[in-house]
Amino acid sequence: EAQVTQNPRYLITVTGKKLTVTCSQNMNHEYMSWYRQDPGLGLRQIYYSMNVEVTDKGDVPEGYKVSRKEKRNFPLILESPSPNQTSLYFCASSPAGGLYNEQFFGPGTRLTVL
Amino acid sequence: AQKVTQAQTEISVVEKEDVTLDCVYETRDTTYYLFWYKQPPSGELVFLIRRNSFDEQNEISGRYSWNFQKSTSSFNFTITASQVVDSAVYFCALSGLNTGNQFYFGTGTSLTVIP
Repeated sequence: EAQVTQNPRYLITVTGKKLTVTCSQNMNHEYMSWYRQDPGLGLRQIYYSMNVEVTDKGDVPEGYKVSRKEKRNFPLILESPSPNQTSLYFCASSPAGGLYNEQFFGPGTRLTVL
Repeated sequence: AQKVTQAQTEISVVEKEDVTLDCVYETRDTTYYLFWYKQPPSGELVFLIRRNSFDEQNEISGRYSWNFQKSTSSFNFTITASQVVDSAVYFCALSGLNTGNQFYFGTGTSLTVIP
């Protein structure tokens, strides 16, 4: 089944404790992206990647890191999480030319930073 | 700058009523793409439609229709004869050829269809 998977789905952590949210897609998509969803703010793009080893900042990259060492994986790293990073996170992928293609979203990761 | 405005935060309608969700966008690009996504109460995000800036034809898919008007920078979404299953948050999104491969989403409109 074609899908985007994220792990974990739920995470409660404390300020400053490094964490990684994994994202994997099995559709051989070149474009991958991370978003955060907050009440009243909609979805905001954190980082995106056009292909392996190519990543770019979105609108809200501060406090996050990403890497794209393999085509299928695009992990989101929070080196020192803070409470303002409490949010619902979505990973997405789309075929080459992410600009004009529909995105396939993962199920979301709900992160709480205490 | 790229921006998408969904001024309607919440809408409630009675089943079988028609409802229109507004989306107004701002872009300096001449080539751009507009999207609608649906987020039902279960939380997943589902693609509904894509439209490019050179195609102003309206689109109809069953009870759903979309009205793209470049003159007013709007890409509105109408649900005809709404059903309870249409209850969801709907997001409009924009991407532009000259602004990288970034996507800009609106803040969403929460639609509740009352049986």
